[in-house]
Amino acid sequence: NAGVTQTPKFRVLKTGQSMTLLCAQDMNHEYMYWYRQDPGMGLRLIHYSVGEGTTAKGEVPDGYNVSRLKKQNFLLGLESAAPSQTSVYFCASTTRTNSPLHFGNGTRLTVT
Amino acid sequence: GENVEQHPSTLSVQEGDSAVIKCTYSDSASNYFPWYKQELGKRPQLIIDIRSNVGEKKDQRIAVTLNKTAKHFSLHITETQPEDSAVYFCAASIIQGAQKLVFGQGTRLTINP
Repeated sequence: NAGVTQTPKFRVLKTGQSMTLLCAQDMNHEYMYWYRQDPGMGLRLIHYSVGEGTTAKGEVPDGYNVSRLKKQNFLLGLESAAPSQTSVYFCASTTRTNSPLHFGNGTRLTVT
Repeated sequence: GENVEQHPSTLSVQEGDSAVIKCTYSDSASNYFPWYKQELGKRPQLIIDIRSNVGEKKDQRIAVTLNKTAKHFSLHITETQPEDSAVYFCAASIIQGAQKLVFGQGTRLTINP
């Protein structure tokens, strides 16, 4: 039981490049989330999903897209990376409302 | 939408003393309030949570109190130890089709030996 796994762990992109961050969970959780963490700003919700085939916008969705084609996977895409997207990205999942989030180990992304 | 304010941003206490971190939230409909601890370079991990039908919850040296009228909740750590040094985040949950956690800005707690 691996929990929540994020790949890659680190990535450096140039401005304008694209990439996809993968989140996989093996706990059969319905809800999945993508957060970004910046110094002094806590964790801010980018997008989330309440089940396979569904996605919704969070607090800071601009510049990102997501897909949840399979229940266990939640992908975060950057179509044209910008330096403002330099951050640590965390994926999380949970089984129901008002229950703890299980976080992945994070992806550190630098955009130059 | 929900807004969560967390204070202080940094806190330094002597080993063995108590530490208190406070959060306020704006949406009276929020009903779930977890606290996460994040060590350097690691993922956030839940340390305690409280639901709106409870005023206080304790787990060994950690306690959380909730005042729904005033819309604030606090984390209390007693008998602090060096391993308590970390960044702590509060969060408040609203349910709008799905649970959405809104996090505070974090408190960097340092325990001085």
